Amino acid sequence: AQSVTQPDIHITVSEGASLELRCNYSYGATPYLFWYVQSPGQGLQLLLKYFSGDTLVQGIKGFEAEFKRSQSSFNLRKPSVHWSDAAEYFCAVVPPMVTGGGNKLTFGTGTQLKVEL
Amino acid sequence: DAGVIQSPRHEVTEMGQEVTLRCKPISGHDYLFWYRQTMMRGLELLIYFNNNVPIDDSGMPEDRFSAKMPNASFSTLKIQPSEPRDSAVYFCASSRQGGEPQHFGDGTRLSIL
Repeated sequence: AQSVTQPDIHITVSEGASLELRCNYSYGATPYLFWYVQSPGQGLQLLLKYFSGDTLVQGIKGFEAEFKRSQSSFNLRKPSVHWSDAAEYFCAVVPPMVTGGGNKLTFGTGTQLKVEL
Repeated sequence: DAGVIQSPRHEVTEMGQEVTLRCKPISGHDYLFWYRQTMMRGLELLIYFNNNVPIDDSGMPEDRFSAKMPNASFSTLKIQPSEPRDSAVYFCASSRQGGEPQHFGDGTRLSIL
């Protein structure tokens, strides 16, 4: 089945440590790829997106993500985590060749990030 | 620019009552989406509109749910009659043309007693 998978439900890192959140997709062609962050009681905020081109994408708040076609992955990274990064992170895709137009997002199940001081 | 605006932010009501959630998309965005978020099912797309026309309502749980977009700056999601299992956070999002990122409102936290 076509899907997007975030294998880690919870991740805990120390402040200042590096972070990598995993995202894998299973589609026949490359979808549009997104990472969103959700702080408690808030809506989802876009961190970054990949449509095509350079496979290393820079986003807001010091985040970056790398698209790897061979691994069907789009992992999110940050070199040094701040306590304010504690939140839930969602990977999302717009499947390729979506019929009827539009940009119907499919979300992963999310990864809850906890930052230890 | 103002983002996506949802109202109310919180709603608590008794089962059987009608609930109406409201959304004002970002000006100039052609697409509007309604999502529901629960612990059990995560984020689910309920319905989306393009230029005020419903395109895909396959995610609407059942006939008790209905959504309208009478104009480009307003949409409603209505539940009638409401049930406790409808308790969730409902998000509205909007975007420009296909593939562009969606911008989310802060959501409506709905509790049905």
